[in-house]
Amino acid sequence: SQQGEEDPQALSIQEGENATMNCSYKTSINNLQWYRQNSGRGLVHLILIRSNEREKHSGRLRVTLDTSKKSSSLLITASRAADTASYFCAPSGSRLTFGEGTQLTVNP
Amino acid sequence: DGGITQSPKYLFRKEGQNVTLSCEQNLNHDAMYWYRQDPGQGLRLIYYSQIVNDFQKGDIAEGYSVSREKKESFPLTVTSAQKNPTAFYLCASSPTGSDGNTIYFGEGSWLTVV
Repeated sequence: SQQGEEDPQALSIQEGENATMNCSYKTSINNLQWYRQNSGRGLVHLILIRSNEREKHSGRLRVTLDTSKKSSSLLITASRAADTASYFCAPSGSRLTFGEGTQLTVNP
Repeated sequence: DGGITQSPKYLFRKEGQNVTLSCEQNLNHDAMYWYRQDPGQGLRLIYYSQIVNDFQKGDIAEGYSVSREKKESFPLTVTSAQKNPTAFYLCASSPTGSDGNTIYFGEGSWLTVV
């Protein structure tokens, strides 16, 4: 089984800036999902991208997938303080495991 | 509202005691899961169940037990055999146990050993 690995471990930006976090995985996938976790809360599903998709948008979120490089990125545009959270990726085949995530801090 | 309810939110356990964390879902999902999260860490899978009356160990099952007698309920018991149980526990469910399903999480339960 595989586990997505998020990078960087921590990211601190100012409100209004864009935030980009990356995910790498090891074996082929059917899909890849991104989740957000606010401190002390459960994870919330953000977006799912299938292996035959290269890019997907949802509001201020943009996810890309490069299956040749076995990597995905999550871009949050025009960030807000409320985006402060940990972000996790979950490639299919990860057997329900989650890595340590990227801790995003958006400063007002 | 549909969702996953975990209770209690905060629980304190004396050493040597067993405690049970409740997890109920009304999403009509077949699969349910329990995760443990230590501060600043990722999630580790304790147990999962793909169907009623069946469950499998995850990566860190030692010191924990579960049951799945009803589709909507998947309680987790933290036994005295779990030597370091202080952590944040997350229950989750998905429509089926198939790989790549979206997983829906409860709000978590904090367990502290005193």
